Amino acid sequence: DIVMTQTPLSLSVTPGQPASISCKSSQSLLHSDGKTYLYWYLQKPGQPPQLLIYEVSNRFSGVPDRFSGSGSGTDFTLKISRVEAEDVGVYYCMQSIQLPPRYTFGQGTKLEIK
Amino acid sequence: EVQLVESGGGVVRPGGSLRLSCAASGFTFDDYGMSWVRQAPGKGLEWVSGINWNGGSTGYADSVKGRFTISRDNAKNSLYLQMNSLRAEDTALYHCVQHSGYDLGREAFDIWGQGTMVTVSS
Repeated sequence: DIVMTQTPLSLSVTPGQPASISCKSSQSLLHSDGKTYLYWYLQKPGQPPQLLIYEVSNRFSGVPDRFSGSGSGTDFTLKISRVEAEDVGVYYCMQSIQLPPRYTFGQGTKLEIK
Repeated sequence: EVQLVESGGGVVRPGGSLRLSCAASGFTFDDYGMSWVRQAPGKGLEWVSGINWNGGSTGYADSVKGRFTISRDNAKNSLYLQMNSLRAEDTALYHCVQHSGYDLGREAFDIWGQGTMVTVSS
């Protein structure tokens, strides 16, 4: 299975400041169809996860534009340009390139507000 | 409004069985693949099983293969997970999730239910 490794595992950010989370995969997530199957989710306290970013850099419906995703191959980054209080929670990256399906998640990065 | 509502969780002894259900509403159920994703208390996310739009293709994590069976009833807009030979390590909150498309594999998990808790304990 593809292993997803996130860093850092936790970060504390002052409101209005940027934040960045790294996700590295043990194999390339670039498929021959040209798509890269890397996603980002946020799990706010007491809630189920919600999709933020799909295929590396596409914001899901309703996601604020302060969230952005980048990267290629095996190295990916989620950036929050200006952290707000509502951004607290655990961020997960996920890959879905494998068939038969073996969706795997990173360990999660907990974001808290200073 | 798109909704996924899970039910069927509870406390069960090791070796026992449970059947989870997920009632979908607010979208055309048979247009989408579906999965179950679990989260052990205080832990991260683990994909458990998935199924394509018509039930013709299914997949399982190695940790549950041979013990769990996923199915769907498109006429009832419902997803199921039959869990047999339960172990303590199956204790988790089980979320029903809607895929971004009809298939299984190479999909995002667009919509998540709140989950139903399964506790395996003697």
